Amino acid sequence: KAGVTQTPRYLIKTRGQQVTLSCSPISGHRSVSWYQQTPGQGLQFLFEYFSETQRNKGNFPGRFSGRQFSNSRSEMNVSTLELGDSALYLCASSPRNRAGGTDTQYFGPGTRLTVL
Amino acid sequence: QQQVKQSPQSLIVQKGGISIINCAYENTAFDYFPWYQQFPGKGPALLIAIRPDVSEKKEGRFTISFNKSAKQFSLHIMDSQPGDSATYFCAAVFKAAGNKLTFGGGTRVLVKP
Repeated sequence: KAGVTQTPRYLIKTRGQQVTLSCSPISGHRSVSWYQQTPGQGLQFLFEYFSETQRNKGNFPGRFSGRQFSNSRSEMNVSTLELGDSALYLCASSPRNRAGGTDTQYFGPGTRLTVL
Repeated sequence: QQQVKQSPQSLIVQKGGISIINCAYENTAFDYFPWYQQFPGKGPALLIAIRPDVSEKKEGRFTISFNKSAKQFSLHIMDSQPGDSATYFCAAVFKAAGNKLTFGGGTRVLVKP
């Protein structure tokens, strides 16, 4: 099976712009989670989607949003970009077949976002 | 609030040596503790995981030791190889809350040949 794919791999934006990142999970996986990775804050959970519904949300401002489509593909959007949003954004999928519980998460290579 | 604390931040070990990484958690509701390995330019990959009802789990050269009363767990990499050079993250999950991983700060391991 193909792994988790994320597009684009690299992105440069300026302050105030918005950005949309895309994630295609492993075929058959229904749960998609997003994480932000920075040198200062490490890996932080953004949100999780399962069957097109947000199931869990981390401590990020409302400028960070996401959605999941019926084919399990997911997008995350960041509006009004700030310099501090520069980070590696990672998507992870898992084969979870019900709304509760946890199982192995498979990470994509990430999208490197630079905000100038 | 850092719920999972990881140490050391970096580690240099000779080939064949043992790498030891420690983590401590605060939230007793955590009930699943995975370790991830990340190479430059790649996303983290699950290495090994343990549940709190088990004190030790071994998979190949990787062993997790778990101390529930101390709220600590550690990763031991035996016979370290240059290919093990990577950043390692411990994590904790509260299963009822779904797939939210709370990560430690990471340990950069360098194995010298």
